[in-house]
Amino acid sequence: AQTVTQSQPEMSVQEAETVTLSCTYDTSESDYYLFWYKQPPSRQMILVIRQEAYKQQNATENRFSVNFQKAAKSFSLKISDSQLGDAAMYFCAYRDDKIIFGKGTRLHILP
Amino acid sequence: DTAVSQTPKYLVTQMGNDKSIKCEQNLGHDTMYWYKQDSKKFLKIMFSYNNKELIINETVPNRFSPKSPDKAHLNLHINSLELGDSAVYFCASSPIHREAPRETQYFGPGTRLLVL
Repeated sequence: AQTVTQSQPEMSVQEAETVTLSCTYDTSESDYYLFWYKQPPSRQMILVIRQEAYKQQNATENRFSVNFQKAAKSFSLKISDSQLGDAAMYFCAYRDDKIIFGKGTRLHILP
Repeated sequence: DTAVSQTPKYLVTQMGNDKSIKCEQNLGHDTMYWYKQDSKKFLKIMFSYNNKELIINETVPNRFSPKSPDKAHLNLHINSLELGDSAVYFCASSPIHREAPRETQYFGPGTRLLVL
């Protein structure tokens, strides 16, 4: 069965610095999607970035980028120039037929 | 204007009551989902409907019954509410295409259910 592991329950970063959130997954599939979702205190789930497994190029969305290592089954999220509004729970998610979420990493931004 | 909407936003009720949560999406998506997020923030899928047809039904008590009157709506009805049902329930939708069956899911704002 597919699993998603986020090994860092909480992290802190100084405003304007860079932080990397880690995610590993386990699957026997070769074709799947990976996502990072952000859940701010408002509780809404917001898509941050997604990666197709068949693409070797790492996805990038403004200050957010991923390091996708398919062989290692690793999918980390890098946030550059951290802002106070980035403070939230971040969920890594894997999807083939179903979507499976990690347990989340709470990110604190220190002013 | 909201892509995926849920009502109510908050729901406080007594044990044993029956309640419903409504979800609507105006994105034209074919597939809708219900998720439960417990107090530890663990997000788990409950149901998935594609064009009003149930396609995923995880191990969920049969007190939970989804209803999809059309592909833009997926409501969740809960009978005989229990304390353990307290959680945040998220509705989501996604398009389904033959070429890209694993599309992004778009989430609603969530409904916080508190059972007393």
